[in-house]
Amino acid sequence: DVKVTQSSRYLVKRTGEKVFLECVQDMDHENMFWYRQDPGLGLRLIYFSYDVKMKEKGDIPEGYSVSREKKERFSLILESASTNQTSMYLCASSPTGMWNEKLFFGSGTQLSVL
Amino acid sequence: AQSVTQLDSQVPVFEEAPVELRCNYSSSVSVYLFWYVQYPNQGLQLLLKYLSGSTLVKGINGFEAEFNKSQTSFHLRKPSVHISDTAEYFCAVSKTSYDKVIFGPGTSLSVIP
Repeated sequence: DVKVTQSSRYLVKRTGEKVFLECVQDMDHENMFWYRQDPGLGLRLIYFSYDVKMKEKGDIPEGYSVSREKKERFSLILESASTNQTSMYLCASSPTGMWNEKLFFGSGTQLSVL
Repeated sequence: AQSVTQLDSQVPVFEEAPVELRCNYSSSVSVYLFWYVQYPNQGLQLLLKYLSGSTLVKGINGFEAEFNKSQTSFHLRKPSVHISDTAEYFCAVSKTSYDKVIFGPGTSLSVIP
């Protein structure tokens, strides 16, 4: 069974802290994505990557960066967390040739920044 | 820019009743359309998708959706809902296979016993 694993289900951080959100997929997918989910806004794309060491900005990249050193792992970094980054963060992956025809999602990390 | 509208933020429905969740999109070009479902404390999973061909698309768990190009709609339907269908449903659109997916705000379906 395909699996996208996010390391933490809940995370509480203080304003100004550097935060790492980790995502690992075991399906050998080339494409990986980070979304944030907010009530009434749906999912918004932060960053995506279509290959190791490659990254592209999504719709709301400000305040975030990403790292993809290995094919199976895609990390989202909040350099200096702020309260407006309190949100649910979802990681997703998809195989080459099916870029967006089917996204496989992790179960999410609920981040609270105090 | 593309956008997706889901007019109903919450839909309560009694068990075994039919349900329709509405989705409209704005695009002047051909689109790919999707419905995803998010069960409590889980990530999203694909319910169904329209890429081309027949405008009536059948998905998992007895759901189906109809693509209506003239009305730019892609409404999701199920003839008889179960308690287990209680979830958040997201409509999404993309211009091509290699474009980002734009998600709607979601509709929370609550099935009442």
